[in-house]
Amino acid sequence: AQSVTQLGSHVSVSEGALVLLRCNYSSSVPPYLFWYVQYPNQGLQLLLKYTSAATLVKGINGFEAEFKKSETSFHLTKPSAHMSDAAEYFCAVSSGYSTLTFGKGTMLLVSP
Amino acid sequence: NAGVTQTPKFQVLKTGQSMTLQCAQDMNHNSMYWYRQDPGMGLRLIYYSASEGTTDKGEVPNGYNVSRLNKREFSLRLESAAPSQTSVYFCASTVTSNQPQHFGDGTRLSIL
Repeated sequence: AQSVTQLGSHVSVSEGALVLLRCNYSSSVPPYLFWYVQYPNQGLQLLLKYTSAATLVKGINGFEAEFKKSETSFHLTKPSAHMSDAAEYFCAVSSGYSTLTFGKGTMLLVSP
Repeated sequence: NAGVTQTPKFQVLKTGQSMTLQCAQDMNHNSMYWYRQDPGMGLRLIYYSASEGTTDKGEVPNGYNVSRLNKREFSLRLESAAPSQTSVYFCASTVTSNQPQHFGDGTRLSIL
């Protein structure tokens, strides 16, 4: 079985501050991990993916995530938040079978 | 460059009515998925089709049926709509389970 826990349904940061969105997973086999972003009234867009290559993964829009097997974590970070980063972010895990399991999402709020 | 196309984008139904949501992808993907998204619940898998000719239940299949019409198209049917099925429905597709899923823009369905 696989599962994903995203800590914090809402995270608030100031523009220019560090963004840290937390994701912990469970998987019975080495996982594939993904972060998606959803802007209002749109579908999900892929930010980045981990597929057992480098543990530090760089994605679009300046985001990156680090896979830590010992902590079963895949936290998403960005050094400096922009107003345009305000959106909902979803972490997802695949154990190599046919389906993805999503976390419940974290809404990122960015204030001027 | 359409990707995943969902129709309709919006729909209002009365309780007990039936409806089919359509999804088509032009990326020659093998696997297709239907999710529902409700506030605070993340995305929950309704049904999926790992390959043409196969369909399987996901986490929340009750009240829904699906048809994988061909490699491109995967439809979701509500036979007798209930208010609990008010949600945003997303279709997604992927080549294989270790690759990212590509999402449509969603169908916003309200059942009165």
